[in-house]
Amino acid sequence: DAKTTQPTSMDCAEGRAANLPCNHSTISGNEYVYWYRQIHSQGPQYIIHGLKNNETNEMASLIITEDRKSSTLILPHATLRDTAVYYCIVRVNLNDYKLSFGAGTTVTVRA
Amino acid sequence: DAGVTQSPTHLIKTRGQQVTLRCSPKSGHDTVSWYQQALGQGPQFIFQYYEEEERQRGNFPDRFSGHQFPNYSSELNVNALLLGDSALYLCASSDRVYNSPLHFGNGTRLTVT
Repeated sequence: DAKTTQPTSMDCAEGRAANLPCNHSTISGNEYVYWYRQIHSQGPQYIIHGLKNNETNEMASLIITEDRKSSTLILPHATLRDTAVYYCIVRVNLNDYKLSFGAGTTVTVRA
Repeated sequence: DAGVTQSPTHLIKTRGQQVTLRCSPKSGHDTVSWYQQALGQGPQFIFQYYEEEERQRGNFPDRFSGHQFPNYSSELNVNALLLGDSALYLCASSDRVYNSPLHFGNGTRLTVT
């Protein structure tokens, strides 16, 4: 499975956009990029996923570079409730339930 | 619509004992996966069940076993508990639609003393 690299931590001002980078330089053509987040003492929460096109939903936007070696998760207007650990994960296919969570990025949103 | 529910939320056991954790998947989901999350680390995949059979397994010893019932709910059993088994145990469910995201419960916090 492709491995991902994320910064250990980052701060963001409340109301500003938060841009979370992720490197996945060994990603294969059939592998999807998934983002989850985990707020303290809760289970991971699904945010968004994509293959090669940019994706947007009510929570965030996902920008994947043309060569697919990196991606950026964008939280458009960060709130204090967005403080969490964010995980970037590469998932192979339908039959792959073995998600490989790394250490993730600890995002702290400050007032 | 209830999401993934797990019980109990907290549990304290003694070394050598056995424990059973339970999971009810999100409505409409038929696949259940289990993860172990030690303090300060990301979740680690234990195994996945579909159609009442174990389909995928991570790098966990045979002390970890599971079961899936006809109603898609699942149990995780751990025998001969070790101190190192203390962790948050997470259940995730999904359906079989291509690349359907996994939905996680809030876990069971197991403490082994």
